[in-house]
Amino acid sequence: DTGVSQDPRHKITKRGQNVTFRCDPISEHNRLYWYRQTLGQGPEFLTYFQNEAQLEKSRLLSDRFSAERPKGSFSTLEIQRTEQGDSAMYLCASSLGDYRPTDTQYFGPGTRLTVL
Amino acid sequence: GIQVEQSPPDLILQEGANSTLRCNFSDSVNNLQWFHQNPWGQLINLFYIPSGTKQNGRLSATTVATERYSLLYISSSQTTDSGVYFCAVEQGGSYIPTFGRGTSLIVHP
Repeated sequence: DTGVSQDPRHKITKRGQNVTFRCDPISEHNRLYWYRQTLGQGPEFLTYFQNEAQLEKSRLLSDRFSAERPKGSFSTLEIQRTEQGDSAMYLCASSLGDYRPTDTQYFGPGTRLTVL
Repeated sequence: GIQVEQSPPDLILQEGANSTLRCNFSDSVNNLQWFHQNPWGQLINLFYIPSGTKQNGRLSATTVATERYSLLYISSSQTTDSGVYFCAVEQGGSYIPTFGRGTSLIVHP
Protein backbone atom coordinates (compact mmCIF):
# COMPACT_ATOMS: atom_id res chain seq x y z
CA ASP A 1 0.00 0.00 0.00
CA THR A 2 1.77 3.07 -1.25
CA GLY A 3 -0.97 5.56 -0.43
CA VAL A 4 -2.61 8.10 -2.71
CA SER A 5 -0.19 9.83 -5.04
CA GLN A 6 -0.61 13.01 -7.05
CA ASP A 7 1.39 14.43 -9.89
CA PRO A 8 2.73 17.03 -10.27
CA ARG A 9 3.20 18.35 -6.74
CA HIS A 10 3.58 21.90 -7.98
CA LYS A 11 2.47 23.59 -11.20
CA ILE A 12 3.05 27.17 -12.27
CA THR A 13 1.25 28.29 -15.39
CA LYS A 14 0.25 31.44 -17.19
CA ARG A 15 -3.31 32.62 -17.33
CA GLY A 16 -5.17 31.08 -20.25
CA GLN A 17 -3.13 27.88 -20.38
CA ASN A 18 -4.57 24.41 -19.82
CA VAL A 19 -3.30 22.19 -17.01
CA THR A 20 -3.89 18.54 -16.14
CA PHE A 21 -3.35 16.84 -12.81
CA ARG A 22 -3.17 13.13 -12.10
CA CYS A 23 -4.24 11.15 -9.05
CA ASP A 24 -3.42 7.50 -8.38
CA PRO A 25 -5.64 6.12 -5.61
CA ILE A 26 -4.91 3.27 -3.27
CA SER A 27 -5.40 0.07 -5.22
CA GLU A 28 -8.80 -1.56 -4.73
CA HIS A 29 -10.35 1.74 -3.65
CA ASN A 30 -13.58 2.22 -5.57
CA ARG A 31 -14.26 5.82 -4.69
CA LEU A 32 -12.12 8.80 -5.70
CA TYR A 33 -12.63 12.44 -4.75
CA TRP A 34 -11.25 15.76 -5.93
CA TYR A 35 -11.15 18.80 -3.65
CA ARG A 36 -9.83 22.34 -3.89
CA GLN A 37 -8.29 24.11 -0.91
CA THR A 38 -7.34 27.78 -0.71
CA LEU A 39 -5.35 29.46 2.04
CA GLY A 40 -7.18 29.57 5.34
CA GLN A 41 -10.06 27.41 4.16
CA GLY A 42 -11.04 23.81 4.49
CA PRO A 43 -11.11 21.55 1.43
CA GLU A 44 -14.07 22.19 -0.89
CA PHE A 45 -15.60 19.24 -2.68
CA LEU A 46 -15.34 19.31 -6.49
CA THR A 47 -16.38 15.88 -7.73
CA TYR A 48 -16.26 12.19 -6.99
CA PHE A 49 -16.21 8.88 -8.83
CA GLN A 50 -17.57 5.50 -7.87
CA ASN A 51 -15.36 3.27 -9.98
CA GLU A 52 -15.41 4.90 -13.43
CA ALA A 53 -18.73 6.70 -12.97
CA GLN A 54 -18.68 10.38 -12.04
CA LEU A 55 -21.56 10.56 -9.53
CA GLU A 56 -21.47 14.10 -8.16
CA LYS A 57 -20.16 17.43 -9.32
CA SER A 58 -20.09 20.61 -7.26
CA ARG A 59 -21.36 23.87 -8.71
CA LEU A 60 -17.77 25.00 -8.11
CA LEU A 61 -16.80 22.81 -11.04
CA SER A 62 -17.31 25.23 -13.92
CA ASP A 63 -17.33 24.25 -17.58
CA ARG A 64 -13.57 24.85 -17.66
CA PHE A 65 -13.03 21.90 -15.30
CA SER A 66 -13.31 18.30 -16.37
CA ALA A 67 -12.43 15.10 -14.56
CA GLU A 68 -12.12 11.55 -15.78
CA ARG A 69 -11.43 8.18 -14.29
CA PRO A 70 -11.01 5.75 -17.15
CA LYS A 71 -11.25 2.09 -16.14
CA GLY A 72 -11.87 3.08 -12.54
CA SER A 73 -8.20 3.41 -11.69
CA PHE A 74 -6.28 6.70 -11.85
CA SER A 75 -8.06 9.99 -12.37
CA THR A 76 -7.22 13.22 -14.15
CA LEU A 77 -8.47 16.73 -13.48
CA GLU A 78 -8.10 19.20 -16.33
CA ILE A 79 -8.54 22.96 -16.08
CA GLN A 80 -8.89 24.79 -19.36
CA ARG A 81 -8.12 28.48 -19.88
CA THR A 82 -6.81 28.88 -16.34
CA GLU A 83 -7.61 32.03 -14.38
CA GLN A 84 -5.79 33.53 -11.42
CA GLY A 85 -8.70 32.51 -9.22
CA ASP A 86 -7.89 28.87 -9.97
CA SER A 87 -4.71 29.15 -7.89
CA ALA A 88 -5.16 26.67 -5.05
CA MET A 89 -4.14 23.29 -3.70
CA TYR A 90 -5.96 20.48 -5.51
CA LEU A 91 -6.41 17.44 -3.30
CA CYS A 92 -7.32 13.91 -4.27
CA ALA A 93 -8.66 11.30 -1.86
CA SER A 94 -9.74 7.71 -2.22
CA SER A 95 -11.81 5.32 -0.13
CA LEU A 96 -13.02 1.75 -0.25
CA GLY A 97 -16.44 2.96 -1.32
CA ASP A 98 -18.22 -0.22 -0.29
CA TYR A 99 -21.20 1.70 1.07
CA ARG A 100 -20.41 1.10 4.72
CA PRO A 101 -21.47 3.96 7.03
CA THR A 102 -17.85 4.78 7.81
CA ASP A 103 -15.81 5.15 4.66
CA THR A 104 -12.42 6.58 5.56
CA GLN A 105 -10.94 8.89 2.94
CA TYR A 106 -7.18 8.76 2.41
CA PHE A 107 -5.77 11.98 1.03
CA GLY A 108 -2.88 12.52 -1.34
CA PRO A 109 -0.24 15.21 -0.82
CA GLY A 110 -1.96 17.61 -3.24
CA THR A 111 -0.98 19.58 -6.33
CA ARG A 112 -0.33 23.25 -5.71
CA LEU A 113 -1.37 25.33 -8.73
CA THR A 114 -0.18 28.90 -9.23
CA VAL A 115 -1.65 30.85 -12.12
CA LEU A 116 0.36 33.95 -13.05
CA GLY B 1 -26.14 24.36 2.41
CA ILE B 2 -25.05 23.28 5.86
CA GLN B 3 -22.79 25.64 7.82
CA VAL B 4 -19.85 24.27 9.78
CA GLU B 5 -18.18 26.59 12.26
CA GLN B 6 -15.02 25.77 14.18
CA SER B 7 -13.57 27.51 17.18
CA PRO B 8 -11.17 28.84 18.11
CA PRO B 9 -9.66 29.72 14.74
CA ASP B 10 -6.16 29.81 16.21
CA LEU B 11 -4.64 28.22 19.28
CA ILE B 12 -1.12 28.40 20.70
CA LEU B 13 -0.05 25.99 23.44
CA GLN B 14 2.99 25.00 25.40
CA GLU B 15 3.96 21.37 25.12
CA GLY B 16 2.09 19.32 27.72
CA ALA B 17 -1.02 21.49 27.80
CA ASN B 18 -4.53 20.24 27.12
CA SER B 19 -6.99 21.79 24.67
CA THR B 20 -10.55 21.52 23.41
CA LEU B 21 -11.57 22.29 19.83
CA ARG B 22 -15.21 22.82 18.94
CA CYS B 23 -17.27 22.22 15.80
CA ASN B 24 -20.83 23.52 15.46
CA PHE B 25 -23.06 22.60 12.54
CA SER B 26 -26.31 24.14 11.41
CA ASP B 27 -28.36 21.07 10.46
CA SER B 28 -28.69 17.40 11.24
CA VAL B 29 -25.91 15.21 9.92
CA ASN B 30 -25.48 11.49 9.46
CA ASN B 31 -21.70 11.55 9.75
CA LEU B 32 -18.98 13.70 11.23
CA GLN B 33 -15.22 13.39 10.90
CA TRP B 34 -12.21 15.10 12.44
CA PHE B 35 -9.07 15.53 10.32
CA HIS B 36 -5.57 16.76 11.04
CA GLN B 37 -3.62 18.59 8.33
CA ASN B 38 0.07 18.68 9.16
CA PRO B 39 2.31 21.65 8.32
CA TRP B 40 3.24 19.96 5.02
CA GLY B 41 -0.39 19.78 3.95
CA GLN B 42 -1.11 16.08 4.47
CA LEU B 43 -4.66 15.38 5.70
CA ILE B 44 -5.23 12.45 8.04
CA ASN B 45 -8.57 11.16 9.31
CA LEU B 46 -8.64 11.13 13.12
CA PHE B 47 -12.18 10.06 13.97
CA TYR B 48 -15.49 9.06 12.45
CA ILE B 49 -17.91 10.18 15.15
CA PRO B 50 -21.55 10.91 14.20
CA SER B 51 -22.49 10.53 17.87
CA GLY B 52 -21.04 9.49 21.20
CA THR B 53 -17.45 9.47 22.36
CA LYS B 54 -14.30 7.87 20.98
CA GLN B 55 -10.72 7.87 22.21
CA ASN B 56 -7.45 7.20 20.44
CA GLY B 57 -4.40 7.70 22.62
CA ARG B 58 -4.13 11.33 23.67
CA LEU B 59 -7.02 12.34 21.43
CA SER B 60 -10.69 11.92 22.11
CA ALA B 61 -13.83 13.26 20.48
CA THR B 62 -17.44 13.68 21.52
CA THR B 63 -20.39 14.48 19.27
CA VAL B 64 -23.78 15.55 20.62
CA ALA B 65 -25.82 15.27 17.45
CA THR B 66 -29.07 16.53 19.01
CA GLU B 67 -27.32 19.77 19.96
CA ARG B 68 -25.34 19.94 16.71
CA TYR B 69 -21.79 20.13 18.01
CA SER B 70 -18.67 18.06 18.36
CA LEU B 71 -15.59 18.48 20.52
CA LEU B 72 -12.04 17.27 19.96
CA TYR B 73 -9.85 16.96 23.04
CA ILE B 74 -6.09 16.92 22.86
CA SER B 75 -4.31 16.02 26.07
CA SER B 76 -0.62 16.42 26.89
CA SER B 77 -0.01 18.17 23.58
CA GLN B 78 3.20 17.58 21.66
CA THR B 79 4.91 19.64 18.97
CA THR B 80 3.85 17.03 16.42
CA ASP B 81 0.21 17.93 17.15
CA SER B 82 0.77 21.25 15.37
CA GLY B 83 -1.23 21.82 12.22
CA VAL B 84 -4.84 22.51 11.31
CA TYR B 85 -7.74 20.48 12.65
CA PHE B 86 -10.82 20.23 10.46
CA CYS B 87 -14.30 19.07 11.20
CA ALA B 88 -16.28 17.70 8.23
CA VAL B 89 -19.93 16.67 8.14
CA GLU B 90 -22.07 14.63 5.77
CA GLN B 91 -25.81 14.84 5.30
CA GLY B 92 -28.56 12.68 3.93
CA GLY B 93 -26.63 9.55 3.08
CA SER B 94 -24.25 11.35 0.75
CA TYR B 95 -20.55 10.60 0.96
CA ILE B 96 -19.64 14.23 0.34
CA PRO B 97 -18.16 15.98 3.37
CA THR B 98 -18.54 19.71 4.04
CA PHE B 99 -15.49 21.01 5.87
CA GLY B 100 -15.22 23.83 8.40
CA ARG B 101 -12.47 26.43 8.16
CA GLY B 102 -10.37 24.65 10.73
CA THR B 103 -8.53 25.43 13.96
CA SER B 104 -4.85 26.20 13.51
CA LEU B 105 -2.84 24.77 16.41
CA ILE B 106 0.77 25.61 17.23
CA VAL B 107 2.44 23.69 20.04
CA HIS B 108 5.68 25.22 21.31
CA PRO B 109 8.38 23.07 22.97
